[in-house]
Amino acid sequence: DGGITQSPKYLFRKEGQNVTLSCEQNLNHDAMYWYRQDPGQGLRLIYYSQIVNDFQKGDIAEGYSVSREKKESFPLTVTSAQKNPTAFYLCATYTPTKNTGELFFGEGSRLTVL
Amino acid sequence: AQSVAQPEDQVNVAEGNPLTVKCTYSVSGNPYLFWYVQYPNRGLQFLLKYITGDNLVKGSYGFEAEFNKSQTSFHLKKPSALVSDSALYFCAVRALNYGQNFVFGPGTRLSVLP
Repeated sequence: DGGITQSPKYLFRKEGQNVTLSCEQNLNHDAMYWYRQDPGQGLRLIYYSQIVNDFQKGDIAEGYSVSREKKESFPLTVTSAQKNPTAFYLCATYTPTKNTGELFFGEGSRLTVL
Repeated sequence: AQSVAQPEDQVNVAEGNPLTVKCTYSVSGNPYLFWYVQYPNRGLQFLLKYITGDNLVKGSYGFEAEFNKSQTSFHLKKPSALVSDSALYFCAVRALNYGQNFVFGPGTRLSVLP
C-alpha cells in the first residue's frame, strides 16, 4: 500500500540526548514536511523539503535538524538544544505537480522527555 | 501572512443533530482551503478541500463545507452527527503566493453525545 511510515510510534528520551524520528514514504511525492503538535496549538511547521538535498526552516526550526538524501526519506533529529521537545510529531508529504492537492500525513511519533 | 482561526475550542452536539465546526481565514490572494480530522494518537486524515468553483464542497464520511469569500469563512458541516464523528478537526489554508506551505488552525474538538 502507498503511504507514509513514521517510526517509532512512541519514544522516550532523557534530557541531553539527541533522538531521530524516521519518516519514509512510497507515494513518490516530492515535498515532505515535519510538524509539531502541542495541545491547543494546532500544527507548527518545523522543516520542509521540496526536493532531494534541499530543505528549508519552518516557523520553529530551532533545536531540530533534518536531511533529505533520498526522495523517500526525511528524518528529523531532535537535538539537546530543543528546550521543550515533548510533543507529537507529524510527517507529511505533498506533490507539487498536483498544485491543488492536499497534504498526506503519517501516523505520528510521540516523543516524551523524562 | 496567512492565518486560520477556529473560534471554538470545543463543540458538543447530540447524535442525529446537525453539526457545524467554524473556520475563518486570512490570506492574500485566492485561498485553497482544507479540512482534516484527527483521532487520538493518529495522523491527520483529509476530509475535503475547496479550490475553485462551487462554494459547497462535499467530502468524506458525509461532511461538507461552505466557502464564503465575503466572510472569509469555510465552515464544516454534517446534516446528522454520529458518535464516531467525535474527534479533533483542523482547518488549513494555502495560498499560491506563499508557495507550498500550509497553515493550520488550532483545532476544534467535536464531541457527539449519544
